[in-house]
Amino acid sequence: DSGVTQTPKHLITATGQRVTLRCSPRSGDLSVYWYQQSLDQGLQFLIQYYNGEERAKGNILERFSAQQFPDLHSELNLSSLELGDSALYFCASSVDVSSYEQYFGPGTRLTVT
Amino acid sequence: DAKTTQPPSMDCAEGRAANLPCNHSTISGNEYVYWYRQIHSQGPQYIIHGLKNNETNEMASLIITEDRKSSTLILPHATLRDTAVYYCIVRGFNFGNEKLTFGTGTRLTIIP
Repeated sequence: DSGVTQTPKHLITATGQRVTLRCSPRSGDLSVYWYQQSLDQGLQFLIQYYNGEERAKGNILERFSAQQFPDLHSELNLSSLELGDSALYFCASSVDVSSYEQYFGPGTRLTVT
Repeated sequence: DAKTTQPPSMDCAEGRAANLPCNHSTISGNEYVYWYRQIHSQGPQYIIHGLKNNETNEMASLIITEDRKSSTLILPHATLRDTAVYYCIVRGFNFGNEKLTFGTGTRLTIIP
């Protein structure tokens, strides 16, 4: 158990819908990362937050957005969902931005039908 | 971040040492080598990291060549639970670049 929690574990929704994935980092961790893992693209970095502020962006679509709240939990919002958005979405956290180790949550499996 | 090259798959007998190679010929002087693994569809798990010296922890050993262009992760006594995809990642610490860039990794299968 990494100490990072993600909800829900599974999510099935239809194309065009909007969903919110939630992540609670390890206690004391200030930095949160979101990654997407799909069969054709592998594990890809989406976005990073540090202490409530966006710090880095990866290959995140404009239909996707995220935020980190004052209590440090983070949400990833996915809208206008397409079949290709079906993937595992992982959240990771680290103590700060210079930490060597990122701790990954168990992931949310999103299926878009 | 420098690119890494790993064999797509490897087998290892249970109880033997598993040696997973990684090439990173374009690594820069301030870039670290990291190893993570992913068991089935679980979240990736940190294993070990190093800059230029060999490193050992309770999970594994990391051997980095003197020119730093390649490294080997060693699992000393592989068990069935070590079956996973192993990712070798090279990362520096530039502002706003703390992300991990995963390649395709090596799928390690431990054979009973």
